[in-house]
Amino acid sequence: GQSLEQPSEVTAVEGAIVQINCTYQTSGFYGLSWYQQHDGGAPTFLSYNALDGLEETGRFSSFLSRSDSYGYLLLQELQMKDSASYFCAVRDSTNYQLIWGAGTKLIIKP
Amino acid sequence: EPEVTQTPSHQVTQMGQEVILRCVPISNHLYFYWYRQILGQKVEFLVSFYNNEISEKSEIFDDQFSVERPDGSNFTLKIRSTKLEDSAMYFCASSVEETNYGYTFGSGTRLTVV
Repeated sequence: GQSLEQPSEVTAVEGAIVQINCTYQTSGFYGLSWYQQHDGGAPTFLSYNALDGLEETGRFSSFLSRSDSYGYLLLQELQMKDSASYFCAVRDSTNYQLIWGAGTKLIIKP
Repeated sequence: EPEVTQTPSHQVTQMGQEVILRCVPISNHLYFYWYRQILGQKVEFLVSFYNNEISEKSEIFDDQFSVERPDGSNFTLKIRSTKLEDSAMYFCASSVEETNYGYTFGSGTRLTVV
C-alpha cells in the first residue's frame, strides 16, 4: 500500500526552529511536496524536492533522502502566523495522484 | 495573483439530494483536480481532469460522482444522491502542466449533508 507518516502534532516556541519529518512508502516516487494549511483554509504549496538534498525558500527549507524514503520540512525563526497544519505529499509516478500524509499540526507558543 | 475560485463556500443539503460544486481554475492552467478533506483528516484525491476528460480517479470517485467542464472557465463536481459521509471540505485545484508540485488550490466548499 501507499502511505506517508508524519507526526500528528509538534509544539515549538516563537523564534525557534522546528523540523517536521515525513516518511513515505509508495509504489512509485516522483517528488515530495509540502503544503501549509491554516484552519479552515486551503492548502498552499510550500516546497518540492525531486532530488536528494536541501531546498531553501526563505525561512522554510525542505530535505529529501530517496534512499531512506524520508524527508523533512524545516521552519526557522518561527512566527505565530506559522501555526498551521503541514502536509507532506508524494506524487506516485504511475498516475497523477498526490498521496497526502495526515498532516502535522504545528503549535507555536510565545 | 491568480486564484482558483470555488462556489459556494458553504453548502448544506439533505441526504439523497444532488449537489454541484463549482470551480473556476486559473485561466492558463490545463490540469484540474478535485480533492476532499473530511474534518480533521488528510486531504484525499478524487479526480484529475485534462483535455476534457478524466485522467485519473481514486476509489472514492465512484458512480455517485461526476465532473464536467461545461464551458471554457468552469469545472464542476456533481455528487448524486448525497450521503452523510459525503460531508467534507471539497477543494478544487489546477496546474499549468502535469506537475508534481505547486498545485493552486481554491478556498474550498464546505459540504454538510444532513
